[in-house]
Amino acid sequence: EVQLLESGGGLVQPGGSLRLSCAASGFTFSSYAMSWVRQAPGKGPEWVSAISGNGGGTYYADSVKGRFTISRDNSKNTLSLQMNSLRVEDTAVYYCAKKLSASGTFDYWGQGTLATVSS
Amino acid sequence: EIVLTQSPGTLSLSPGERATLSCRASQSVNSNYLAWYQQKPGQAPRLLIFGASSRATGIPDRFSGSGSGTDFTLTISRLEPEDFAVYYCQQHGSSPLYTFGQGTKLEIK
Repeated sequence: EVQLLESGGGLVQPGGSLRLSCAASGFTFSSYAMSWVRQAPGKGPEWVSAISGNGGGTYYADSVKGRFTISRDNSKNTLSLQMNSLRVEDTAVYYCAKKLSASGTFDYWGQGTLATVSS
Repeated sequence: EIVLTQSPGTLSLSPGERATLSCRASQSVNSNYLAWYQQKPGQAPRLLIFGASSRATGIPDRFSGSGSGTDFTLTISRLEPEDFAVYYCQQHGSSPLYTFGQGTKLEIK
């Protein structure tokens, strides 16, 4: 059974940093691209960042480019998102999501972790 | 950037009725990369349809997807009580890599 478990969310002041993690199990982690998708309160999902299976390719939404860094450790089946220079508008539930092969689709999602940026 | 516009914003129907949800793209979308998700309060989105018309694993056959180019449709043939939720379409493009529609809320009439 595929499981994705996020952690690391919390309350941080504007300009601060958070590091999110996602522990994956139930599939061959290194074979799949992964993404972070966020959802602000009452809004639709917004894709944030993606990383290829071997970690060699990383991609970012313009809204987070230069501030967020995605990474993965295939030996530990872990996906991470380092978030720096946080803004109030980064407040959201952050989900890690597994990409369905040969499809621009996310077939499994974690339960999400809430990051709140507020003074 | 491809913008996805979903309509209606809210759809009020009764169990047993047919639901038709629309997703219109600002430019042509590769059908292989168009998906639909269902989201209930406090839960993550759940994949329903990928490749515009293929049902994901475990999705009942009352859910179907169709369309091509800029116009896509999610149809629920006979609404069950558990189908009342928010539905999002999503596409995979170049920049940004993925975009979502703003959602259609399907509520009980």
